Amino acid sequence: DGGITQSPKYLFRKEGQNVTLSCEQNLNHDAMYWYRQDPGQGLRLIYYSQIVNDFQKGDIAEGYSVSREKKESFPLTVTSAQKNPTAFYLCASSPQSGQTQYFGPGTRLLVL
Amino acid sequence: GENVEQHPSTLSVQEGDSAVIKCTYSDSASNYFPWYKQELGKRPQLIIDIRSNVGEKKDQRIAVTLNKTAKHFSLHITETQPEDSAVYFCAASKAPGGSYIPTFGRGTSLIVHP
Repeated sequence: DGGITQSPKYLFRKEGQNVTLSCEQNLNHDAMYWYRQDPGQGLRLIYYSQIVNDFQKGDIAEGYSVSREKKESFPLTVTSAQKNPTAFYLCASSPQSGQTQYFGPGTRLLVL
Repeated sequence: GENVEQHPSTLSVQEGDSAVIKCTYSDSASNYFPWYKQELGKRPQLIIDIRSNVGEKKDQRIAVTLNKTAKHFSLHITETQPEDSAVYFCAASKAPGGSYIPTFGRGTSLIVHP
């Protein structure tokens, strides 16, 4: 579990502000993912990356952006275009796309 | 794309009873089916998984069954305990490798009453 970390644990966003959520893994996994979790909605995929310098949109990518400049890191930016950002955000990684995923502890984003 | 339906959304049982959670999937090419447990405020963690070449897998009090023909798989928890209370997610994907991303069910909130 300690192999994948997220920070911060709680994040507050003001109107019109972009915020960035950090996700780091030392598991040497190729694939990384970002999910959004809302009550009763399960896990919804925002973005995923199968390899460094490559990423793909998930089911709810609008208002979010990512980068994958290093294998260990996959930060998520919640832009001001995301009108309802309050949620629990989970990062995950896996050795190869589609295999068992290992989740980070999550970041709870709240809007002021 | 893949679609995973999970039922029930909430399950309440007495301690010691059994609990069963069912999932159906749409893509017959899916061949890997993990189950995750998420305690309140915590991260999801894999508790058991099954691949399509196996019909059943057990690990102590938990078991998973897979019916490829009907495209459904189930999680069985026997002798439930209060610490089993959590949200359980099923998922379906192709593995190993490939570019297919796991699709998750919406989750089942299991409540075990002492």
